[in-house]
Amino acid sequence: GQNIDQPTEMTATEGAIVQINCTYQTSGFNGLFWYQQHAGEAPTFLSYNVLDGLEEKGRFSSFLSRSKGYSYLLLKELQMKDSASYLCAVNNDYKLSFGAGTTVTVRA
Amino acid sequence: IAGITQAPTSQILAAGRRMTLRCTQDMRHNAMYWYRQDLGLGLRLIHYSNTAGTTGKGEVPDGYSVSRANTDDFPLTLASAVPSQTSVYFCASSASQEVNTEAFFGQGTRLTVV
Repeated sequence: GQNIDQPTEMTATEGAIVQINCTYQTSGFNGLFWYQQHAGEAPTFLSYNVLDGLEEKGRFSSFLSRSKGYSYLLLKELQMKDSASYLCAVNNDYKLSFGAGTTVTVRA
Repeated sequence: IAGITQAPTSQILAAGRRMTLRCTQDMRHNAMYWYRQDLGLGLRLIHYSNTAGTTGKGEVPDGYSVSRANTDDFPLTLASAVPSQTSVYFCASSASQEVNTEAFFGQGTRLTVV
């Protein structure tokens, strides 16, 4: 089985930085994904980590520590369009399992 | 445009009726998935298929069935719908079920069972 936890909501100001944490417990680990989902839309891929460390893609970075069962998604230079739900997902025994998602609200 | 297509976009269904949600992808992906998304619970895996001809049960398979007769299509059937199956259903596909392959999602089917 798996247990994936992330905060329910976060609020930040335009131009700021926000860090979304994700902890997981799985019986088998084959990588961790972050997805973005705007209200009423489908999830879209943001990042992938399978080895420990930081992966940077423009304004978004994702970090993984397999020994701690921990990841975070870092959103820099926040823009209004970044207001969305961010989903942590673990490839567990080759099935993708999702956390409940973190709703990020960016204020002007 | 290449991608993954779901139909219908939305549906209101009487309890007890049978319903098939359609999902088609043209990316020649081996793996396909069905999720339901409910407020506060996130995306939960219903059924999956790692390759044509094979299927497996996910986290919440009861009341649902799937088939994978070919690479492109992965229909989800509710044999006798119940109100607790009211949800948004997402179909997804990935090149394989193994590591480092992102999943692509369809636009979702909003199903209401009354």
